[in-house]
Amino acid sequence: QSVLTQPPSVSGAPGQRVTISCTGSSSNFGTGYDVQWYQQLPGTAPKFLISGNNNRPSGVPDRFSVSKSGTSASLAITGLQVEDEADYYCQSYDTSLSGWVFGGGTRLSVL
Amino acid sequence: QITLKESGPTLVKPTQTLTLTCTFSGFSLSTSGVGVGWIRQSPGKALEWLAIIFWNDDKRYRPSLKSKLTITKDTSKNQVVLTMTNMDPVDTGTYYCAHRRGGATTTGGVFDLWGRGTLVTVSS
Repeated sequence: QSVLTQPPSVSGAPGQRVTISCTGSSSNFGTGYDVQWYQQLPGTAPKFLISGNNNRPSGVPDRFSVSKSGTSASLAITGLQVEDEADYYCQSYDTSLSGWVFGGGTRLSVL
Repeated sequence: QITLKESGPTLVKPTQTLTLTCTFSGFSLSTSGVGVGWIRQSPGKALEWLAIIFWNDDKRYRPSLKSKLTITKDTSKNQVVLTMTNMDPVDTGTYYCAHRRGGATTTGGVFDLWGRGTLVTVSS
């Protein structure tokens, strides 16, 4: 069981907006450590997508955004595209474990 | 341009020791704030952080695996080595190394660049 909790799957139609939640606790998000999101396309390595302050690496479109509230965070994807179909993971640092933690991952299906 | 590449055996037997090497370019593990971590992914499962080593030789391990893991660096060769002892079939998975970017601390930060990963199967 992952320290950060994500829904196993979400889906949406092309052009729609979807959100993926990530629930943490007082020992990670609650301590002020930031959330990061990664995208893993089928058969490939994870790729850093966006951080909690909406810092995106070059090449990541602004259709991807992050919001945070207390011990939860959400990744929003607007204008859904077929190529967004992937697994998405949230990640932070946990002070109780003294280590880096990932969510269980959410599979996004674009219908 | 930062690149990382994992190398090591694709098949190990139970109880054997696994040694994986991450060879990187485009950055120095002597630079303040830089770290290289190992993350694995069992087939069909989530990402799991294993270990990380920093520019100042600080090392951190996943608590549940601490007794099995050793991480070292060779700054002159731009390599980070992870050894995992007493391998078990549950350790089967893809092992990734990743560049950690953060402040001049050894907590937090982001794994902003990843290698392609190497699949390790544990079977007799």
